[in-house]
Amino acid sequence: EPEVTQTPSHQVTQMGQEVILRCVPISNHLYFYWYRQILGQKVEFLVSFYNNEISEKSEIFDDQFSVERPDGSNFTLKIRSTKLEDSAMYFCASKPRAYEQYFGPGTRLTVT
Amino acid sequence: AQSVSQHNHHVILSEAASLELGCNYSYGGTVNLFWYVQYPGQHLQLLLKYFSGDPLVKGIKGFEAEFIKSKFSFNLRKPSVQWSDTAEYFCAVNAGGNTGKLIFGQGTTLQVKP
Repeated sequence: EPEVTQTPSHQVTQMGQEVILRCVPISNHLYFYWYRQILGQKVEFLVSFYNNEISEKSEIFDDQFSVERPDGSNFTLKIRSTKLEDSAMYFCASKPRAYEQYFGPGTRLTVT
Repeated sequence: AQSVSQHNHHVILSEAASLELGCNYSYGGTVNLFWYVQYPGQHLQLLLKYFSGDPLVKGIKGFEAEFIKSKFSFNLRKPSVQWSDTAEYFCAVNAGGNTGKLIFGQGTTLQVKP
């Protein structure tokens, strides 16, 4: 069964550094998402991406964040200058036109 | 703003006990409802979903949920839990719009004692 994959599984970075989190969605899916879960808190929506553009973003998704689908298979989340409060588990998800989202295993980002 | 509330943060049950996890949402229009499960060290997996039709939906592993529109609720149930059901359970709502974004509840940690 196809799965959403994410790399790396764990990323440690220093405050102020740029990080890129990578995701490979399921190949025939059309909608792509990033969510995050700060330890002990709920899963929060960050951004949705459809037809090569952002379709919706949350208040969390400020100018420090960007997404890209550079080659038709990867879907990346970039944080330009990380802050301590960006430490969280970041989940990528994808879905076909209808139905449910399929989630990846997540990348744990630790900002020191 | 749309929100999802899960009533129980941490539930401890013995094997064979019955389970009911509460989920309420705030949104007056058409909703799609989901329960996801996250086993220790694993990613979010779909347990069941409601889009339309029969408000009692059955999912994997013997779980079911009932959509009660008048109560804005989508409670998860299982008649007899197993130790392997130990996990975190998330209720989520897709409330309108074309983007399909999910609004999640806080999650409920279920611990089943053998």
